[in-house]
Amino acid sequence: EAGVVQSPRYKIIEKKQPVAFWCNPISGHNTLYWYLQNLGQGPELLIRYENEEAVDDSQLPKDRFSAERLKGVDSTLKIQPAELGDSAVYLCASSLTSGRGETQYFGPGTRLLVL
Amino acid sequence: AQSVTQLGSHVSVSEGALVLLRCNYSSSVPPYLFWYVQYPNQGLQLLLKYTSAATLVKGINGFEAEFKKSETSFHLTKPSAHMSDAAEYFCAVSVGGNDMRFGAGTRLTVKP
Repeated sequence: EAGVVQSPRYKIIEKKQPVAFWCNPISGHNTLYWYLQNLGQGPELLIRYENEEAVDDSQLPKDRFSAERLKGVDSTLKIQPAELGDSAVYLCASSLTSGRGETQYFGPGTRLLVL
Repeated sequence: AQSVTQLGSHVSVSEGALVLLRCNYSSSVPPYLFWYVQYPNQGLQLLLKYTSAATLVKGINGFEAEFKKSETSFHLTKPSAHMSDAAEYFCAVSVGGNDMRFGAGTRLTVKP
């Protein structure tokens, strides 16, 4: 079974430029998560989708971040414009359902460096 | 609000020695608790989880954790460390909607 796929794996951009990350969850998983992981810290949830609906985006900085999950499968996270402080790893995860205790499966992440 | 605290950002053990990584939780409801491992430049991989069944949970790679309500702890142990265990370990608690709150992580170093 294929795991969670993310691309690109690495991205270097200059500040004020836009950037987008793509995630393809495990087949059949209804719930998709985007996390931000700063260096030396644990992941922090940015947004959670159940199918195509964003059900928890309270931690997403909506002035510059946006996300979509068309057709309830793969998802894109965008930053426009990027700031120096956005340098981090962006992790995507999926789970079969959003039931409490359901295992989340993580992709390898996209490492973003903003210069 | 639910949260976890990992005691010790860095733990170093010798190969073959006991591994003990500490995690304490705070939760207003019976918690669901997880341990994940992250190898360099990779995503997180589930080691084990506690979902209110047996208090001693066995996971992959010889790891286990014990849920102790009286101590609000969920420490991770392995009897004998292997070089391949060197990684970052994260404790997490599941809150509403299966959102996870992660600890800051503990980096495990294994010395030959």
